[in-house]
Parts: sequence; structure tokens; C-alpha cells
Amino acid sequence: GAGVSQSPSNKVTEKGKDVELRCDPISGHTALYWYRQSLGQGLEFLIYFQGNSAPDKSGLPSDRFSAERTGGSVSTLTIQRTQQEDSAVYLCASSFRINNEQFFGPGTRLTVL
Amino acid sequence: GENVEQHPSTLSVQEGDSAVIKCTYSDSASNYFPWYKQELGKGPQLIIDIRSNVGEKKDQRIAVTLNKTAKHFSLHITETQPEDSAVYFCAASPNQGGKLIFGQGTELSVKP
Repeated sequence: GAGVSQSPSNKVTEKGKDVELRCDPISGHTALYWYRQSLGQGLEFLIYFQGNSAPDKSGLPSDRFSAERTGGSVSTLTIQRTQQEDSAVYLCASSFRINNEQFFGPGTRLTVL
Repeated sequence: GENVEQHPSTLSVQEGDSAVIKCTYSDSASNYFPWYKQELGKGPQLIIDIRSNVGEKKDQRIAVTLNKTAKHFSLHITETQPEDSAVYFCAASPNQGGKLIFGQGTELSVKP
């Protein structure tokens, strides 16, 4: 079956612009996660959604970052007023429930010039 | 909060040898410990995981051990093959929650 998909695969933007990154989780998965991976680094947790519960936003690095999950499915990560240090690969994952295996998408590579 | 340390950062072995990667975690409430393999340009893929009520788990050439008292867990790959070359990440899930806290990764190179 279809895995987690993310779009765009690559995004180049200018400093100060806003960007939106999209994640389509595996159908039926109730939990959705966003992580950030800087060059040569490990994955940094950003935010996760579980069903209708309030999201855990504890990993968002600043108030320029926000995320939504509409209808319990698709999620959008928005970065406002992008900075060069936002350049990274943004990875989305989904799982059937929390504490189950997380399936990752291929990521969106964001470059802020 | 939870902190996960992973070592070594790079590991080079000859084909057929074993490889061991070790991780330590800080939060004794963490109860789920997955290992992911990431190939260049791709998202991480789960290769094995272990929960805190189990001390060891094996799947063919891959095994994971967990020592809750010492708060460390290890990945063991036997009979390594060139296709095992990738970056491996350990992770811990604290407090029954869903988020994963990752180690910094180990770049494994298996030389034919």
C-alpha cells in the first residue's frame, strides 16, 4: 500500500518568506509526527498529533513554526519569515497509534537563501 | 527531558564481520526503543524495536539488547553485507508518549 508522502520534495526560498510543507500519512494512521534533520545530524522532534487530542508542540523551535492536521489526515507544517538556520530536511511520520512503529516519508529538503 | 547518546559516530567493518552500535538514554520512564536505518536521500526505516518489558529481541541477522538498569541499549548486526551500509539511528520514546528522541546516528560502512 501507499506509504507516507510529502510535498514538495525540494523547496528553495528566500530569507523572510513563508513556506508550507505537506504530509499525507498512511490511511488509517491516527498519529502524525514532524521531525527536522539538519545536515549530518540526528532527527529533532517538532510536533505530533494523535487523533482529536491537542497536539504536542513541545519541539517547535520558535513561534514562526506551526502545524495543522485537517480532518485527522493531511498535515501542513508552516514556517513563517524563514531564516537560513531553518534549512534542513523536514520529515513526516505516521503510526497506527502512539508508541507504535512510525513510518517515515521521504522528507522535504528546505533551503533558505 | 529525554536525552539519547549514540556511539560510535562512524563504524567501518569488513563484510562478514559483526557491527555493534550503542546508545544510552536518560529518562528511566522511556519504554520504547526503535532502531532506524537511513539510506542516502531517503527517510528512516524501522529495522527493529524493543519495549522495556523485554531484554533482547532478534530478527535474522539483527538483534537488540536492552539494559533498563544501566539505561542503555545496543544494536548488533552479524554477518554484515555491503547493503547494510547506511546511517543507523537509535531512539527512545519517553513517558508513554508518541514522540521519539533520536541519537546522533552512526554511519556504518561495510567493505567488500
